[in-house]
This record gives sequence, C-alpha cells and structure tokens, in this order.
Amino acid sequence: AQSVTQLGSHVSVSEGALVLLRCNYSSSVPPYLFWYVQYPNQGLQLLLKYTSAATLVKGINGFEAEFKKSETSFHLTKPSAHMSDAAEYFCAVRAQGAQKLVFGQGTRLTINP
Amino acid sequence: DGGITQSPKYLFRKEGQNVTLSCEQNLNHDAMYWYRQDPGQGLRLIYYSQIVNDFQKGDIAEGYSVSREKKESFPLTVTSAQKNPTAFYLCASSIDTSNTGELFFGEGSRLTVL
Repeated sequence: AQSVTQLGSHVSVSEGALVLLRCNYSSSVPPYLFWYVQYPNQGLQLLLKYTSAATLVKGINGFEAEFKKSETSFHLTKPSAHMSDAAEYFCAVRAQGAQKLVFGQGTRLTINP
Repeated sequence: DGGITQSPKYLFRKEGQNVTLSCEQNLNHDAMYWYRQDPGQGLRLIYYSQIVNDFQKGDIAEGYSVSREKKESFPLTVTSAQKNPTAFYLCASSIDTSNTGELFFGEGSRLTVL
C-alpha cells in the first residue's frame, strides 16, 4: 500500500529564509510524486512532479524538490521565502500501476515579515 | 479558458437533506475525481471515474453517490446517510488515470450542515 507522511503540520520561516517542507513516502514499487499548493478557500495547484526522470525537479514559483530513493523522501525547498508563499502544501504519491493519488496531511507554511 | 468549475462555492443544508454538488470540466479529460478535505486530514478520495458511465468507490464513499453521464460532468450527491457531511469538497480531473498524469482541481465547494 502506498502512503505519504508530511513531517510538521505547521512550518514558520522568516521572509528571505530557506523553506524546507518534508515529505516521506511508502510504496512497494517506484512511485510518482507530486507537490501541490493550496491558498485559502481555493483548489490545489500543481507545483512540481517527479516521474522517474531527473531526481531534482524544478517547479513554479522558485520551488524545487529532490527525489531520494534511499531515504524514501521528496522534500520541497525554496532558497528564499516570499510573503506570497504563505499557503498549505500537500505532498502526494501514486505508485506505478495504481489509479489513485494519495495525499499527505498537508503542511501550513507561515512567512514572518 | 479551460478549467474545472464547481458550484455552488458555499452551501448550507439542514440535517436529513440530500444535496448535489456540481463539477464541470472543459479540459476534455477522461478521468474525474471527488475529494473531501477536513482540517488536518489532507484530502480523502470519495469517488473517481475513468470514463463515461463508469465510476469506482474511493476510500470514503459511504453516504455519497455520483454519476458520469457526460464526459464533462461529474456531480456528487451528499446523502442524508453521510454522518458528518460538513467539509470542503474538491473536484479534480486528469487526462487519464496513468501514473504520471497530474490532477487539475476546481475551486472547491464548502458544505455546512446546520
């Protein structure tokens, strides 16, 4: 069975600081991995996805994530936080051959001025 | 513009009433999904459909029903059998259910039971 764990339901960083949101997955076969962002009372928007090509994936808004098979991780980073990055972030996994996308619990990112 | 339209955005319902949430997409996607979102619980899959006139139960289908009579439409009915229906409901679509296909989401519908 596939599952995903996001470490930390809330993360707070200062504007200009590094953003690191953690995601670990559990899958019996190599997975496909996704990061989504959600602003209040809106739907989810895709930030980036890993589909077994390059392990370092660049997404929109300056975010990137690195797939590390040995650590079963897909952490999301951004070198310098902006106030506009304040939102909820979801990691999701789909194992090869699976029809369903499984989401983590979400991490709420707060940016301090 | 292509996208997914959910309506209504806010809905209030009395206990014991059924309510239907609309989801329409003009992306020509084959697959459509309904998720429920509760604070601190992420997104949980209610139903999904890979093709017209076919759909499958997700992880929390009890108390919900769907139909897929047209490719572009996938309405969700929250029945009176759903014990705790107050939540934020998200509709999504993808080109198909292949592994690499990402989901595109609507803006959501917030249902409150009074």
